[in-house]
Amino acid sequence: AQSVAQPEDQVNVAEGNPLTVKCTYSVSGNPYLFWYVQYPNRGLQFLLKYITGDNLVKGSYGFEAEFNKSQTSFHLKKPSALVSDSALYFCAVRDQTGANNLFFGTGTRLTVIP
Amino acid sequence: DAGITQSPRHKVTETGTPVTLRCHQTENHRYMYWYRQDPGHGLRLIHYSYGVKDTDKGEVSDGYSVSRSKTEDFLLTLESATSSQTSVYFCAVTASYNSPLHFGNGTRLTVT
Repeated sequence: AQSVAQPEDQVNVAEGNPLTVKCTYSVSGNPYLFWYVQYPNRGLQFLLKYITGDNLVKGSYGFEAEFNKSQTSFHLKKPSALVSDSALYFCAVRDQTGANNLFFGTGTRLTVIP
Repeated sequence: DAGITQSPRHKVTETGTPVTLRCHQTENHRYMYWYRQDPGHGLRLIHYSYGVKDTDKGEVSDGYSVSRSKTEDFLLTLESATSSQTSVYFCAVTASYNSPLHFGNGTRLTVT
């Protein structure tokens, strides 16, 4: 069975500093991985995905993610955090059974401190 | 938002009553999903659809049913609501395999 884990419930970072939100995955076979962001009282918004190819994936709003097969990780990064980046972030992995749905992590709340 | 509308946005109901949530999309995407979001659990799949009248169960389907009679509408029904079904429900759609899911803004359901 496939799954993702987000080991940190909360991440705090100062504005202007680099940020990292961690995600590890467990799949049999090649993983299809996604990052989403959720702002208060809104649905999830797609940030980026990894299907195959380059291990560094660039996405929306200046975010990027690094795929590391040996460490089974897919960490979300941004070089310089903004206060407006404060939100709930979810990592997800594609269901490989053909159902075409996603399995989500439990989420990490990012707070950027001015 | 891929033209996704969820209704109602908020609902309070009593234990034992039936409840239907609606998801409407304007993009004619093939795949539609219902998730619930609960603290400490992230999002969990309830049911999904891969075409008109083609639906299947997700990991937390007990107590829920769905119907999709038109491409644009996907209904989620709680036959007899329980307090454990108090949650935020999200609809999502996508056009094809490995394309990102696009989410609606959610329905907050409280069962008293």
